[in-house]
This record gives sequence, C-alpha cells and structure tokens, in this order.
Amino acid sequence: DAKTTQPTSMDCAEGRAANLPCNHSTISGNEYVYWYRQIHSQGPQYIIHGLKNNETNEMASLIITEDRKSSTLILPHATLRDTAVYYCIVRATTSGTYKYIFGTGTRLKVLA
Amino acid sequence: DTGVSQDPRHKITKRGQNVTFRCDPISEHNRLYWYRQTLGQGPEFLTYFQNEAQLEKSRLLSDRFSAERPKGSFSTLEIQRTEQGDSAMYLCASSPDRVEVGELFFGEGSRLTVL
Repeated sequence: DAKTTQPTSMDCAEGRAANLPCNHSTISGNEYVYWYRQIHSQGPQYIIHGLKNNETNEMASLIITEDRKSSTLILPHATLRDTAVYYCIVRATTSGTYKYIFGTGTRLKVLA
Repeated sequence: DTGVSQDPRHKITKRGQNVTFRCDPISEHNRLYWYRQTLGQGPEFLTYFQNEAQLEKSRLLSDRFSAERPKGSFSTLEIQRTEQGDSAMYLCASSPDRVEVGELFFGEGSRLTVL
C-alpha cells in the first residue's frame, strides 16, 4: 500500500471549514483514498472514501487532485465534537490484502 | 446495540501472565481485523480473518500472540507470557464481504496494562 503524509496537527475555528491535506504521491491506479477519524478513547470511525472523483456525504467532502497524488478532507462547518485525529489511508480493493495501514494522522483541534 | 463489542474493556495484569481478549463483530460481517494502538500512534495491523480463515498476519504478531475465529463469528486474541511492551489498546474491527470495502466498523477497544 502507498504511504501517506499528513501534517501532525492543525487548528480550526468553530463554524469554519476544516481542510485536512494528505499527500499520497505513490498511489497506484487501483488504490482508493480513505479517511477515518478517532476521537479520544474511541475506536476509529469511517468518514469517506474515493477513487478519482470528488465525494461528499453527510460528514465531509473529499477532494482528490486530478493526478491523484494528493487529497483534501473538508469538514464544512467544524464543531467542537470534530476535535479528533484524522487518518488518511490509501488501499487497494482488488484481490489480495484487505488490510488498512494507518499512519500517525493529523490531530485536529477545533477552537471555540 | 448491534456494533462491534470487545471484552474486557480494561485489563491489568502482571508480567508473565496470559490474557485473552474477545471480539464480537457485527453479525453479518465476514471480515474481522485486529489492531494494536499505543499512545500517540495510529492503529497497527495485527491480523485479519475472512470467516474462520486467518488470511494475513503482521510481523508484529509474535509467537506469544495467537488469534482465532473458530466458527467465523466471534474472535479471540490471546497473549501469552505478557511483557510490559504489550501494554496497548487492542482494537477489533469488522466489515462486510464486498470487493470494494469502504468502511471498517471498530469496537471501543480493550486496553491492556502490563505491570
């Protein structure tokens, strides 16, 4: 699986959009980009995933660059409850391994 | 509650003792994962089951660690002769058996402290 690079930490004002970047310059054509988050003392929670096109769900939007070497997770109106560690993962879904490799993630702090 | 459940939530043991953790996945999920997480680090993959078959094991899973999923439902993770370095959160996750798996469902974890 390709490795990802994320900033160690970020701050965001409550009510503003939080934009979390991720670099995955060695991503392969069959690898998806996944985002999870982990709130303190809880298990990680799935947020969103995508291959090429931008994706949006009730939690967030995922913007993937045309060359697929980087992506941005957008939380449109951050709240205090969005304070968490956010993990960007790239992973193939073809036959073979189905494991997810987590990095150290970005620690997002939403400020009141 | 129909989520992934793990038991016990907390375990304190003395070095050299054996411990066992149990994971009950979401009932219709065929895939089950074990991860370990230490303070300040992301979850580290340990092993993965497809039904009762253990298909992949990490190098982190030393001979002292054994995982089973005997009937393709619940799973156990046993650590023999525990060491202080085994202190961590042990996370279990499950997912449905689809080619494109978008979502792992994690439990709350079992926190192990080895004294």
